[in-house]
Amino acid sequence: DAGITQSPRHKVTETGTPVTLRCHQTENHRYMYWYRQDPGHGLRLIHYSYGVKDTDKGEVSDGYSVSRSKTEDFLLTLESATSSQTSVYFCAISGRQGMSSEQYFGPGTRLTVT
Amino acid sequence: DQQVKQNSPSLSVQEGRISILNCDYTNSMFDYFLWYKKYPAEGPTFLISISSIKDKNEDGRFTVFLNKSAKHLSLHIVPSQPGDSAVYFCAASAESGTYKYIFGTGTRLKVLA
Repeated sequence: DAGITQSPRHKVTETGTPVTLRCHQTENHRYMYWYRQDPGHGLRLIHYSYGVKDTDKGEVSDGYSVSRSKTEDFLLTLESATSSQTSVYFCAISGRQGMSSEQYFGPGTRLTVT
Repeated sequence: DQQVKQNSPSLSVQEGRISILNCDYTNSMFDYFLWYKKYPAEGPTFLISISSIKDKNEDGRFTVFLNKSAKHLSLHIVPSQPGDSAVYFCAASAESGTYKYIFGTGTRLKVLA
């Protein structure tokens, strides 16, 4: 299994507060991703990174920002949490070139915004 | 606009029988497809993939079939085992080099002992 961890694993926060989720990898993979999983929607890409300081938006990026200052860490920030951001958040990594480019997922962070 | 669709939210199969999970897509530019399995409280794990230049890929009990003309792929599990009970997601990519994937909504498979 790829060495990928997420912290915290569970968090409850109030509407309007800032929240930062951390993804840490030990695989030296180039690409990192943040997804959210919601019932009826599957996994939706929030943001991804294709290198240090290189990030781009996914399909549901509104209300989220990311930063990647070093290869191993990818941070997801909710500047002002809303109840619609209650979800399970997964980080994923991928590094290989070519067609065999599966992603490896972290264990997830369950975020509840009250 | 759901570009990758898994129209069956759930499926129950007897142990030892075949499980067939289906996935449809709308974007003809998709050229790489993957299946993931997810257990509760865990992250998805990669299962099997297929490139658009193939119509079949097999790995042990798992086979993925791709029908490009119908924009349809399926995952066959033979024989099904109770440990296969999980949610299965298909994913598709159209941006070679960025590895961005669009995921389906998932199918919950229950294998009955």
